[in-house]
Amino acid sequence: AQSVAQPEDQVNVAEGNPLTVKCTYSVSGNPYLFWYVQYPNRGLQFLLKYITGDNLVKGSYGFEAEFNKSQTSFHLKKPSALVSDSALYFCAVLNADSGTYKYIFGTGTRLKVLA
Amino acid sequence: NAGVTQTPKFRILKIGQSMTLQCAQDMNHNYMYWYRQDPGMGLKLIYYSVGAGITDKGEVPNGYNVSRSTTEDFPLRLELAAPSQTSVYFCASSELDRGLYEQYFGPGTRLTVT
Repeated sequence: AQSVAQPEDQVNVAEGNPLTVKCTYSVSGNPYLFWYVQYPNRGLQFLLKYITGDNLVKGSYGFEAEFNKSQTSFHLKKPSALVSDSALYFCAVLNADSGTYKYIFGTGTRLKVLA
Repeated sequence: NAGVTQTPKFRILKIGQSMTLQCAQDMNHNYMYWYRQDPGMGLKLIYYSVGAGITDKGEVPNGYNVSRSTTEDFPLRLELAAPSQTSVYFCASSELDRGLYEQYFGPGTRLTVT
């Protein structure tokens, strides 16, 4: 079965420090991987994606993520956190080989950046 | 472009009532999705559509129905509302055929069934 795991319900980081939000996945075919951010009472906003090519992908607001095929991970990172980065972050995967067009989402990680 | 729009923003239903959640997108995307978001549970797929006239069940379809008569609109129908359907509902669209794999989400509808 396909799945996405975000092992941390919450991550706390001091403003200015680097942040990492973890994501691991399990799919039988080629994974297309995504990160989304959700601010309170809003819909999800796309941050970045890995489809193919360079394992390090850069996205909106200074975020980046590294695709690691051997560890089946796609951790979200930012070199210097801002208080405004505080939000709920979701990792998602699409099995490119399945032909089902269904995205699988993790349960979300709440990021708190402390001033 | 308005992107993905959803109405209403909030709704309170009594048990047994029915309603339709509206979703529209103006990006000419073929793929549209309905999710529900429960606290601490992430997003669960209710139904999805790969084009006008084509719909399929997701992970949690019971108690819901959809239709897709046009590319733009993808309404979600709740028949005989139950307290278990209290949730936040999100509509999303994407365009896999053109290589736009990321999803675009609407602002959500917060539904309470009492």
